[in-house]
Amino acid sequence: DGGITQSPKYLFRKEGQNVTLSCEQNLNHDAMYWYRQDPGQGLRLIYYSQIVNDFQKGDIAEGYSVSREKKESFPLTVTSAQKNPTAFYLCASRQGFGLGELFFGEGSRLTVL
Amino acid sequence: QQPVQSPQAVILREGEDAVINCSSSKALYSVHWYRQKHGEAPVFLMILLKGGEQKGHDKISASFNEKKQQSSLYLTASQLSYSGTYFCGTEVNAGNNRKLIWGLGTSLAVNP
Repeated sequence: DGGITQSPKYLFRKEGQNVTLSCEQNLNHDAMYWYRQDPGQGLRLIYYSQIVNDFQKGDIAEGYSVSREKKESFPLTVTSAQKNPTAFYLCASRQGFGLGELFFGEGSRLTVL
Repeated sequence: QQPVQSPQAVILREGEDAVINCSSSKALYSVHWYRQKHGEAPVFLMILLKGGEQKGHDKISASFNEKKQQSSLYLTASQLSYSGTYFCGTEVNAGNNRKLIWGLGTSLAVNP
């Protein structure tokens, strides 16, 4: 079955550590996205990528980094520069930028201790 | 430019109907509707493209008023499984690209 796989589902991090969240899709989608979700704030865009080897900052990119070396993979690194990283992170993909619905992964919940 | 959803929360008894509204101040290319249960991924319900087309999915339907930049989601004869948070995503033109902006969500609880 086609879909998006995020890992890990739960992650605990000490302050000052970088962590990388994995996102893999086998839908052959060109566009991929990372969102952050906090209670009462809806979905906020961190980074997006329309094509391999290209990505753009979203609305809250500070303290995060991404790469898109393969079409199916779009990992997100939460760096120590992110002031308040505890949140629910969602990865999504879409056939093409501006085309069709988004398919979401199950999410990764990051807690900073 | 974030769309405004109303109401913020609604409580229903099984079998009752509900309407959730999504309003934008910007010209819209499309409106997306998703439902999310706590701790899970959002699930796609439908997309409405500009043109005022009304779509339906089982007992859930939606309309898009392009002139008013508003969309409404209609939940008919609600079921327990309808409980969750409903998000609208409004797609606007942003230079050479399109941008999808999300509302804050409407929490829906369906009780027996």
